[in-house]
Amino acid sequence: EAGVAQSPRYKIIEKRQSVAFWCNPISGHATLYWYQQILGQGPKLLIQFQNNGVVDDSQLPKDRFSAERLKGVDSTLKIQPAKLEDSAVYLCASSLARDTEAFFGQGTRLTVV
Amino acid sequence: AQTVTQSQPEMSVQEAETVTLSCTYDTSESNYYLFWYKQPPSRQMILVIRQEAYKQQNATENRFSVNFQKAAKSFSLKISDSQLGDTAMYFCAFTPWGQNFVFGPGTRLSVLP
Repeated sequence: EAGVAQSPRYKIIEKRQSVAFWCNPISGHATLYWYQQILGQGPKLLIQFQNNGVVDDSQLPKDRFSAERLKGVDSTLKIQPAKLEDSAVYLCASSLARDTEAFFGQGTRLTVV
Repeated sequence: AQTVTQSQPEMSVQEAETVTLSCTYDTSESNYYLFWYKQPPSRQMILVIRQEAYKQQNATENRFSVNFQKAAKSFSLKISDSQLGDTAMYFCAFTPWGQNFVFGPGTRLSVLP
């Protein structure tokens, strides 16, 4: 079974630039999560999708972050404009349902300079 | 608010010895799942073990076992016969039924040769 795929693995951008991350979940997984993991901390949920609908985006900084999951499969997370404090690893995860274990991708390490 | 606390930022253990990682959580929910995830330097989060709150029997997976104390809201992880490959960050996570994951801040475990 293929795992959760994320790209790119690494990204360095200057502040005020924009960036996008892509995630392809495990086939058949209805639930998709985007987490932000700042160095030395646990992952923090940014947004959760159930199929192509948003279930929880309460911690998403909506003035600069956006995410979509068209057709209920792949998802993209965008930051525009980026700030220095956005430097983190962005993890995508998927699960069969909302309360089953989540399977994680390898993450994208974003550095904003 | 639902929170997960891991009071040990760092721990070390000699190879082949046993180590226990602590986790406590706070919730008013009665039905939920608890997980331990491992994050090696490669960054990919890997599920170690899972416990359903309605089950009284503690979960075990090979060298990994948990001590689940529902009344105390405690969920510790015991690693027996520690191996060098167990070196990683360990995150305790909690999800009430139908809701999203909440992660603890993590414990960095080093297995020493």
